Amino acid sequence: TQLLEQSPQFLSIQEGENLTVYCNSSSVFSSLQWYRQEPGEGPVLLVTVVTGGEVKKLKRLTFQFGDARKDSSLHITAAQPGDTGLYLCAGAPQAGTALIFGKGTTLSVSS
Amino acid sequence: KAGVTQTPRYLIKTRGQQVTLSCSPISGHRSVSWYQQTPGQGLQFLFEYFSETQRNKGNFPGRFSGRQFSNSRSEMNVSTLELGDSALYLCASSLVTSGESGEQFFGPGTRLTVL
Repeated sequence: TQLLEQSPQFLSIQEGENLTVYCNSSSVFSSLQWYRQEPGEGPVLLVTVVTGGEVKKLKRLTFQFGDARKDSSLHITAAQPGDTGLYLCAGAPQAGTALIFGKGTTLSVSS
Repeated sequence: KAGVTQTPRYLIKTRGQQVTLSCSPISGHRSVSWYQQTPGQGLQFLFEYFSETQRNKGNFPGRFSGRQFSNSRSEMNVSTLELGDSALYLCASSLVTSGESGEQFFGPGTRLTVL
């Protein structure tokens, strides 16, 4: 079974702090996606990374795909209360197979 | 355009009953995937349908079943409900199958409580 391990499981920080969450696997993934889920809603896609070593930026969010395509990280600069939510990574081990999701990182940003 | 809609939003059932959940994908999307989300296990894949055919199936018992209609709308059914089936059931639609790196658009989910 190919698992995606996310860490930390919970993160509670103050507005303005920086943070990094991790998504790791012992297996290679053809691509990885990051989603954010807010209470009472379904997950919303933030980014897809497909190339080993790829770095993508989305405003204050920076996503990186490991060179070996087994891990990814999400870095948030100067976190804001609006960043609060559950961050999920997901990947398809091979093209045509279903997405596997990590258990997520619950982020709470207080003002 | 309208997003993914799921009905009902909330449901309370008792053990042994069966339940049917409905999902209407975004217009033009042919792939519909179903997931079960619980605090302990996270998001777990149930099954995926593409153009009325089941493409992938997760590791759930046969009590969980689904189907997709010609208009891409999908239903999932759970028979002989157990307490452990209490969860948020999410439906996601996409243009391509979920394993092709296509963006999945999730509905708000159906919160099922089994008493």
